[in-house]
Amino acid sequence: GQQLNQSPQSMFIQEGEDVSMNCTSSSIFNTWLWYKQDPGEGPVLLIALYKAGELTSNGRLTAQFGITRKDSFLNISASIPSDVGIYFCAGVIPSGSARQLTFGSGTQLTVLP
Amino acid sequence: DGGITQSPKYLFRKEGQNVTLSCEQNLNHDAMYWYRQDPGQGLRLIYYSQIVNDFQKGDIAEGYSVSREKKESFPLTVTSAQKNPTAFYLCASSPREGSGNQPQHFGDGTRLSIL
Repeated sequence: GQQLNQSPQSMFIQEGEDVSMNCTSSSIFNTWLWYKQDPGEGPVLLIALYKAGELTSNGRLTAQFGITRKDSFLNISASIPSDVGIYFCAGVIPSGSARQLTFGSGTQLTVLP
Repeated sequence: DGGITQSPKYLFRKEGQNVTLSCEQNLNHDAMYWYRQDPGQGLRLIYYSQIVNDFQKGDIAEGYSVSREKKESFPLTVTSAQKNPTAFYLCASSPREGSGNQPQHFGDGTRLSIL
């Protein structure tokens, strides 16, 4: 099946710093989703991307759908302590079936005061 | 408030027992899903359902069973055939399956542990 390579696996940053994480694949996707998961909770949708090249913001978060349709990145500006958590990317292949929603392995973000 | 409710939050199982995890949604979503999450890994699809009385196997369905008798409910049974059931189980739903443009929304999960 499709695989998503998400990096970095973990990050330790100082409060106020900007953060960038990305997902790449050898397969083409027609939708990219970014979720955040707090400890013991379910993932919460942050941003959804539907078109190649699309750049979308949600507050301090910005995500882009790569032109090649094989990658996506998420940026967080001016990090704050509540940004701590695991960030997952997920991609949907062109067939659009739920079976083809593939998740990255997550980026664990720690924000140091 | 509309949402997805999973219960219980924590569940303990003895060896050889079947247990059932509950998932209820009041979002009027057609599609529902069950995922398994292990530490340091992404989510893996167990089963999904597009409509009432229909469901399909995901990537790791062995040792699990589901039913979809009502639109709002999609319970997951972890059977004794599942040899490594300790994990965090997540239920999700979306307005409809198949379009690829309907993001899934998740419940808060059930953590299952073996005694």
